[in-house]
Amino acid sequence: GAVVSQHPSWVICKSGTSVKIECRSLDFQATTMFWYRQFPKQSLMLMATSNEGSKATYEQGVEKDKFLINHASLTLSTLTVTSAHPEDSSFYICSARDNRGLNEQFFGPGTRLTVL
Amino acid sequence: GQSLEQPSEVTAVEGAIVQINCTYQTSGFYGLSWYQQHDGGAPTFLSYNALDGLEETGRFSSFLSRSDSYGYLLLQELQMKDSASYFCAVSANDMRFGAGTRLTVKP
Repeated sequence: GAVVSQHPSWVICKSGTSVKIECRSLDFQATTMFWYRQFPKQSLMLMATSNEGSKATYEQGVEKDKFLINHASLTLSTLTVTSAHPEDSSFYICSARDNRGLNEQFFGPGTRLTVL
Repeated sequence: GQSLEQPSEVTAVEGAIVQINCTYQTSGFYGLSWYQQHDGGAPTFLSYNALDGLEETGRFSSFLSRSDSYGYLLLQELQMKDSASYFCAVSANDMRFGAGTRLTVKP
């Protein structure tokens, strides 16, 4: 159990376009999901906390108007990178908290975004 | 705020035992997790300690001392495929990761 999927697994886009990444908890409900970004050879940096039915909480330095997060249901959160630029190229990873038991977080497989 | 400290690199030989330490400072605490990440891949879950003590899962064990804000990951009978980055992560209202420890296993 406790599987999280992400779609797409990789995407290449032109500068100035927008890209939407989906994160789904497949076999549990998640009121809270998290979005991380990881640059090469660096750690995972928390971008924002996504709460079902309410606005996301963004970490300092993360532009909320650029990285739009929607958590419309208990199993789906989306991250939209608007007007993407080459510096947004990164590995984006979501996780979902399973509120049953020990509040464990389960990670999706990640989405590699390349902006040309 | 939260901060986590772990060594940046560790090198060991096949068959050896390696311990990767993690100290943390956090407001609020649910537990300490360990993740493995191979180059180009997503982090994969290794272990989670919510209570003090040692958790053993095959060749990997993880330890937590809440009073010392300290934990470690113990890897036994090292294999070449264990070469990867290992991250400790603290769960509170969210999950924060350490900078990662790059483990290189040599023949």
